[in-house]
Amino acid sequence: IAGITQAPTSQILAAGRRMTLRCTQDMRHNAMYWYRQDLGLGLRLIHYSNTAGTTGKGEVPDGYSVSRANTDDFPLTLASAVPSQTSVYFCASSEGGQDTGELFFGEGSRLTVL
Amino acid sequence: GQNIDQPTEMTATEGAIVQINCTYQTSGFNGLFWYQQHAGEAPTFLSYNVLDGLEEKGRFSSFLSRSKGYSYLLLKELQMKDSASYLCAVADSNYQLIWGAGTKLIIKP
Repeated sequence: IAGITQAPTSQILAAGRRMTLRCTQDMRHNAMYWYRQDLGLGLRLIHYSNTAGTTGKGEVPDGYSVSRANTDDFPLTLASAVPSQTSVYFCASSEGGQDTGELFFGEGSRLTVL
Repeated sequence: GQNIDQPTEMTATEGAIVQINCTYQTSGFNGLFWYQQHAGEAPTFLSYNVLDGLEEKGRFSSFLSRSKGYSYLLLKELQMKDSASYLCAVADSNYQLIWGAGTKLIIKP
């Protein structure tokens, strides 16, 4: 089934640990995004990639890094997790830019940092 | 600053009509999106408006007034499965999406 796959779906992590959230899409979309969703707030963009080999910072990039070695994969890394990074993380993709059409979202990764 | 306002929660009755409003103040405007998100699931695309007026898609319609910084999502013939959060998002002058916090819609029998 075409779409976006995220892993893990849920994780509890000790503060200070390194964590990578994986995201893979099979729609051959150029653009990919990482958002975090917190109660009472809108989705906030962490990092994005308009095409393989390029990445950019979103609204809340601090404490996170990404890479885009190929079209399909866009992992998000927390180098040293802190409790404020407890959130639900969504990976998304689109054919063009995020303003040009539909975003396709993965099912989310629920991360708890203790 | 940039701001998207939506009601936090609304309640409606199965079979009825509900209108979810969204007002925005952004640096520029390059389109407005509505997404549906069921609890514990991913957001899914509902509609896109870039010109003033009403866009109809089955039971769902979306309206935009750029001069008023206002949009609404109209849901007709409500079904229990419409219970979800509805997210409004605006593309600003930098073509970045600014998201509202979402409106949780509760449908009662």
